Amino acid sequence: RKEVEQDPGPFNVPEGATVAFNCTYSNSASQSFFWYRQDCRKEPKLLMSVYSSGNEDGRFTAQLNRASQYISLLIRDSKLSDSATYLCVVNIGSRGNEKLTFGTGTRLTIIP
Amino acid sequence: DADVTQTPRNRITKTGKRIMLECSQTKGHDRMYWYRQDPGLGLQLIYYSFDVKDINKGEISDGYSVSRQAQAKFSLSLESAIPNQTALYFCATSDRYFSGYTFGSGTRLTVV
Repeated sequence: RKEVEQDPGPFNVPEGATVAFNCTYSNSASQSFFWYRQDCRKEPKLLMSVYSSGNEDGRFTAQLNRASQYISLLIRDSKLSDSATYLCVVNIGSRGNEKLTFGTGTRLTIIP
Repeated sequence: DADVTQTPRNRITKTGKRIMLECSQTKGHDRMYWYRQDPGLGLQLIYYSFDVKDINKGEISDGYSVSRQAQAKFSLSLESAIPNQTALYFCATSDRYFSGYTFGSGTRLTVV
């Protein structure tokens, strides 16, 4: 079983729609979680951290469910500029030995 | 200037050649990482370093070596390049509080 699993998509969504991605992780001891965004042939960039209480940043909402070991990302009122690959990222290391493990990514295309 | 700079941006090399990829950072971060990205496989950790005297193997270190010349510099070497090392290589940094990674723009390496 992969340490971090995502639906690869692609998700083709009309502009203005709401879209949600889920991600599961295998290591119950994982301590920190992130969503990164990667545009084609570019470096990944941090979109948002994921906190236990859930967190929101504008049109983006991230949720963490430790009991079920999954993370979600919700994008509301999607824009053409949201088209990208979204990477679910989990810190599988212990304190002082942090290392990020990346999912393979979910490709999102927003359709005009 | 970028916070994390990778050179070269693109490189084509022949099988059996030795090649070095370089990474330098101006963020003052202690921790540096090398990842490779292949289509459909996500990012895989090659090596990482938490300070100048600390070097650790990642999940796919065979065929690679690294050198941490200074806090700001972390180089990746392919001693004898082979075609299945064709990939997109990313360097990343993080601070000791591990608030996430900052990535370089990547090096696209092709081994023919």
